[in-house]
Amino acid sequence: EPEVTQTPSHQVTQMGQEVILRCVPISNHLYFYWYRQILGQKVEFLVSFYNNEISEKSEIFDDQFSVERPDGSNFTLKIRSTKLEDSAMYFCASREVTEAFFGQGTRLTVV
Amino acid sequence: AQTVTQSQPEMSVQEAETVTLSCTYDTSESNYYLFWYKQPPSRQMILVIRQEAYKQQNATENRFSVNFQKAAKSFSLKISDSQLGDTAMYFCAFMKSETSGSRLTFGEGTQLTVNP
Repeated sequence: EPEVTQTPSHQVTQMGQEVILRCVPISNHLYFYWYRQILGQKVEFLVSFYNNEISEKSEIFDDQFSVERPDGSNFTLKIRSTKLEDSAMYFCASREVTEAFFGQGTRLTVV
Repeated sequence: AQTVTQSQPEMSVQEAETVTLSCTYDTSESNYYLFWYKQPPSRQMILVIRQEAYKQQNATENRFSVNFQKAAKSFSLKISDSQLGDTAMYFCAFMKSETSGSRLTFGEGTQLTVNP
């Protein structure tokens, strides 16, 4: 069964460093998303991506964040200068029509 | 803006019994989708069930069913014959439409524990 895959599963980084979280969405899906979940809290929307451009972003998705689809398969989230409060689980999701399928998440720890 | 509220932070149920998780939402949209996602300790987000707002019939998936009350903006999840593997955080979610960029808005979650 097709699935969304995310790498790495866990990333530890120093505050102020740049990180890139990677996702391979399901191949025939057209809509791509990043969400994050701070431990013990709800899942929060970050950004949606369609037709090679951002279609919506939340107030969390400030200038420190960017997304790219550099080729036909990968979908990346870059955080330019990480802060302690960026520590969270980051989920990539994709959908074809209605149902969004999530990757297993990347746990980002900023120290 | 849409909001989703889950008023039960934690619930527990005995194995083989039935449990209902509550969810309410607020929207001015007439067409939308509602979902329940399960998040086990592995933290993977797994789709349990979905409901289209234009359908009056409540969705069912094996032991999982919903009670969708559109006028009341209520969307509860019933788990029958609960199993130990059902222990997880359950999130109710709303999506406005299928159009580009439509994203999920999640509730706060309900931690369900199934006891042996």
